[in-house]
Amino acid sequence: AQSVTQLDSQVPVFEEAPVELRCNYSSSVSVYLFWYVQYPNQGLQLLLKYLSGSTLVESINGFEAEFNKSQTSFHLRKPSVHISDTAEYFCAVLNSGGSNYKLTFGKGTLLTVNP
Amino acid sequence: NAGVTQTPKFQVLKTGQSMTLQCAQDMNHNSMYWYRQDPGMGLRLIYYSASEGTTDKGEVPNGYNVSRLNKREFSLRLESAAPSQTSVYFCASSEAQRGGYGYTFGSGTRLTVV
Repeated sequence: AQSVTQLDSQVPVFEEAPVELRCNYSSSVSVYLFWYVQYPNQGLQLLLKYLSGSTLVESINGFEAEFNKSQTSFHLRKPSVHISDTAEYFCAVLNSGGSNYKLTFGKGTLLTVNP
Repeated sequence: NAGVTQTPKFQVLKTGQSMTLQCAQDMNHNSMYWYRQDPGMGLRLIYYSASEGTTDKGEVPNGYNVSRLNKREFSLRLESAAPSQTSVYFCASSEAQRGGYGYTFGSGTRLTVV
């Protein structure tokens, strides 16, 4: 079985500051990794994912995450945040060799960007 | 717009009442899922359907049943609602490798059981 640990439940930052949201996973098999974002009163949207290839993946709105197999981590970073980045962020893992494609989610990190 | 549609968006039930949450997707995805979201708990899988005609239990199936009516529709039923089932429910669909393994989520159903 796989599991995901998001190390911070809340991260407050000021606008234009850098941010890192931490995610560690546990799995005995190869995995795919995802970050989802949830804006207030909305569903989850895929932010970025790692399936294979380059360990550094980027989103269209400036976030990036790096897959580190030795540390079993997939931390999310942004060099300069905006007020509009305020949302809850979920890290998720999927067993790449499975047949049911079930995502396991972390408990989420609430990012609050203050002016 | 293509996507996952959930109905209703809000519902208040009395303890012991029953209801069905509806979910439909128009992306021709094979797999569909029901999750519940509770504060500080993230999303927990209730049931899933890997393909039309199959359903399986997830992490928290007690008190729920599901029906994969056809490829498009996947409903979640609460037979006798309990206050512990107060939550936000999300339906999702995916197409595994062809879809890059990402999920498309509905906008959620906010359920309160009193």
